[in-house]
Amino acid sequence: GAGVSQSPSNKVTEKGKDVELRCDPISGHTALYWYRQSLGQGLEFLIYFQGNSAPDKSGLPSDRFSAERTGGSVSTLTIQRTQQEDSAVYLCASSLAIGQETQYFGPGTRLLVL
Amino acid sequence: KQEVTQIPAALSVPEGENLVLNCSFTDSAIYNLQWFRQDPGKGLTSLLLIQSSQREQTSGRLNASLDKSSGRSTLYIAASQPGDSATYLCAVLDHNQGGKLIFGQGTELSVKP
Repeated sequence: GAGVSQSPSNKVTEKGKDVELRCDPISGHTALYWYRQSLGQGLEFLIYFQGNSAPDKSGLPSDRFSAERTGGSVSTLTIQRTQQEDSAVYLCASSLAIGQETQYFGPGTRLLVL
Repeated sequence: KQEVTQIPAALSVPEGENLVLNCSFTDSAIYNLQWFRQDPGKGLTSLLLIQSSQREQTSGRLNASLDKSSGRSTLYIAASQPGDSATYLCAVLDHNQGGKLIFGQGTELSVKP
């Protein structure tokens, strides 16, 4: 069956522009997660959704970052006024439910802010 | 605050060797621990998940163990192959963090033919 998909796979943008990253979770998975992987920082949690609600936004680095999920499926991560330090790979994962379930990851979106 | 550490950071072995990757975590109150594989430029592939009540999980040539009380997990790879070359990441889901995984920095494995 289809796995987690993300788009775009690569994004190059200029400093100050807004970007939107999209995640399509595995069908039937109620939980969705966003992580960021950057050189020297490893993999860090950003936000997760249970259904359409986000109980934990503690990982969002600043108020320039926001995410939403509609219809319990697709999620978008938006970064406003991008900065060079936002350059990273943004990974999305989904699982059947929050808790003791395997998280399945997408291929990621590689963001480069010039 | 939960912290996850992986040792070594990098490992190079000849093909056919058995090897062990180590992962340690500071807070033993975890729900589960997952081992992932990441190939260069790719996303993460889940290898094994060990629930907090379990001691080990096996899949093919891979065996992962969990000692929750001492805050340690090991990933054992038998008869290593060049195709095993990748970065291996462990991550814990702990009781205080809801749904988010806390990752180690990874071990970069190179298996030489």
